[in-house]
Amino acid sequence: NAGVTQTPKFRVLKTGQSMTLLCAQDMNHEYMYWYRQDPGMGLRLIHYSVGEGTTAKGEVPDGYNVSRLKKQNFLLGLESAAPSQTSVYFCASSYRADSPLHFGNGTRLTVT
Amino acid sequence: DAKTTQPTSMDCAEGRAANLPCNHSTISGNEYVYWYRQIHSQGPQYIIHGLKNNETNEMASLIITEDRKSSTLILPHATLRDTAVYYCIDPSNYTGANSKLTFGKGITLSVRP
Repeated sequence: NAGVTQTPKFRVLKTGQSMTLLCAQDMNHEYMYWYRQDPGMGLRLIHYSVGEGTTAKGEVPDGYNVSRLKKQNFLLGLESAAPSQTSVYFCASSYRADSPLHFGNGTRLTVT
Repeated sequence: DAKTTQPTSMDCAEGRAANLPCNHSTISGNEYVYWYRQIHSQGPQYIIHGLKNNETNEMASLIITEDRKSSTLILPHATLRDTAVYYCIDPSNYTGANSKLTFGKGITLSVRP
């Protein structure tokens, strides 16, 4: 039981490039979330999903897109990366809307 | 908006109990108190939550005051691995949906040898 797995762990992009971050969970959780964490800002919710085929905007959705084609996977896409998107990205999942969150160990993204 | 207040940092000696306080003075109704922690370079980790009664699990104990306006997370025998940022979740913003959960800045616990 791996829990929540994020790939890649590190990535460096040039401004304007695109990439997809993958989150996979093996706990059969309905709910999945993408957060970003910046120094002094705490964790901020980007997008989330309440089930396969659904997505919803969080606090800071601009510049990101997400997809939940399979229950176990939640993808975060950056279509045209900007330096302001340099951050550590965390994926999380939960069984219900108010169940404890299970987090992955993050993807450190640098946009130059 | 109501705010959760925690000290910025604290330390304790290895093997001793670590008592981490949190004020949530405007808590009301059926709002739970949740605690998470984040060890350096890792994702946050759920620790414990409670409503009214004190709670204990394999990681920690949670003591909630009778008026529910403050709580204390207790790590009974702190180890060096417990050095982390501990988040007391603002229950007034947490409407029972993780999508509304806010972590704040937390309290940095340093366990010294």
